[in-house]
Amino acid sequence: EVQLVQSGGGLVEPGGSLRLSCTASGLSFSGAWMNWVRQSPGKGLEWVGRIKAKVNGGSTDYAAPVRGRFIISRDDSKNTLFLQMNSLRAEDTAVYYCSTAHLSPSDPDSWGQGTLVTVSS
Amino acid sequence: QPVLTQSSSASASLGSSVSLTCTLNSGHSSFIIAWHQQQPGKAPRYLMKIEHSGTYYRGGGVPDRFSGSSSGSDRHLTISNLQSDDEADYYCETWDGNTWVFGGGTKLTVL
Repeated sequence: EVQLVQSGGGLVEPGGSLRLSCTASGLSFSGAWMNWVRQSPGKGLEWVGRIKAKVNGGSTDYAAPVRGRFIISRDDSKNTLFLQMNSLRAEDTAVYYCSTAHLSPSDPDSWGQGTLVTVSS
Repeated sequence: QPVLTQSSSASASLGSSVSLTCTLNSGHSSFIIAWHQQQPGKAPRYLMKIEHSGTYYRGGGVPDRFSGSSSGSDRHLTISNLQSDDEADYYCETWDGNTWVFGGGTKLTVL
């Protein structure tokens, strides 16, 4: 069974930084593409960004609202995905989820449990 | 870029069936979509992926009361024999390999 366990999050002041982690088990993490998704209070799911597997180049893509401020990285030796969030704004307040991003329809995806990030002074 | 459209709400009676629809925008009718369920206060849960052909792939542990189908740009999630814990938000998702997109979600009420 695939498990994605998240850590990090909390309260940060506007303009501050925070790093989230997502540790995977039960899958071949090094070969997996991974997403970060967020959900603002009372709103729907919003894609944040994706990192490819290193075998596919390891590149990243980001949604427009976070491009240039957020950085996704991975440490395949530790089966861990990261989201570095810089220059945080009040509108970044949300629950952040990591998820697998399998392109093949026959590969099921999995979600982390989520972690709350609150940006407030 | 793909865009997904969902009705904001749906309702059906306990024990009955309901079909939720996710519509792809023009030029993207061949895209695969995924359905996710989010019960109140919980993380999303993957349900299935549906191809343009209508072939669907349920996730492990997802009851066979949940099924998928496709018609043109529409991808349907059908839930039969509705249970009280099916009351949840349902999101569809698609991707083009560089960007991922979610629909606005459908809030399902079980009467």
